[in-house]
Amino acid sequence: EVQLQESGPGLVKPSQSLSLTCSVTGYSITSNYWGWIRKFPGNKMEWMGYISYSGSTSYNPSLKSRISITRDTSKNQFFLQLNSVTTEDTATYYCARYERHRGFDYWGQGVMVTVSS
Amino acid sequence: DVVLTQTPPTLSATIGQSVSISCRSSQSLLHSNGNTYLHWLLQRPGQSPQLLIYSVSRLESGVPNRFSGSGSGTDFTLKISGVEAEDLGVYYCVQGTHAPWTFGGGTKLELK
Repeated sequence: EVQLQESGPGLVKPSQSLSLTCSVTGYSITSNYWGWIRKFPGNKMEWMGYISYSGSTSYNPSLKSRISITRDTSKNQFFLQLNSVTTEDTATYYCARYERHRGFDYWGQGVMVTVSS
Repeated sequence: DVVLTQTPPTLSATIGQSVSISCRSSQSLLHSNGNTYLHWLLQRPGQSPQLLIYSVSRLESGVPNRFSGSGSGTDFTLKISGVEAEDLGVYYCVQGTHAPWTFGGGTKLELK
């Protein structure tokens, strides 16, 4: 069974970087696409970006140059780094597998990140 | 970016009632390869989202067949034929045809 689990700090100070890890079990990240999605207070969901089976990346232009997604295939993990955070980056962050025809079919449990001084 | 507009934002239903959720796209979601990448998710309270329907109308494994999806182009519908208590939560449509992938605003299903 495919399982994903996010980890990382729940509190980040404004202007600093947010760094999260997604650990995947039951499936290799060298197949399919692996993405980060966040849910803001309320219901709004935003796709942030993905890293593909080959290591290529795609990002939401709304995040401009602040985002980076990388991976460690030896540990079957992928990572999110979001720079220069503001209070508007306060959200629950999810990692998920994206399969071309099925969409986001496996999700982590999510990690709530608050940006506050 | 493609804007997905879900209606209604809130839906009150009784157990056993059939309900529908609409998802309208600002652009056609028909990909040049002939596929339509419009999917439906449910987020129950306190849980992460789960896939219900993919590629407009295909039922995800393990999802009850009271859920069904339909539509084409820019108009899509999720129908629940006989709401059960476990169906409560927030429903999202999401498109993967045009980058960046985008989500609808969500429809909260509540018990009346």
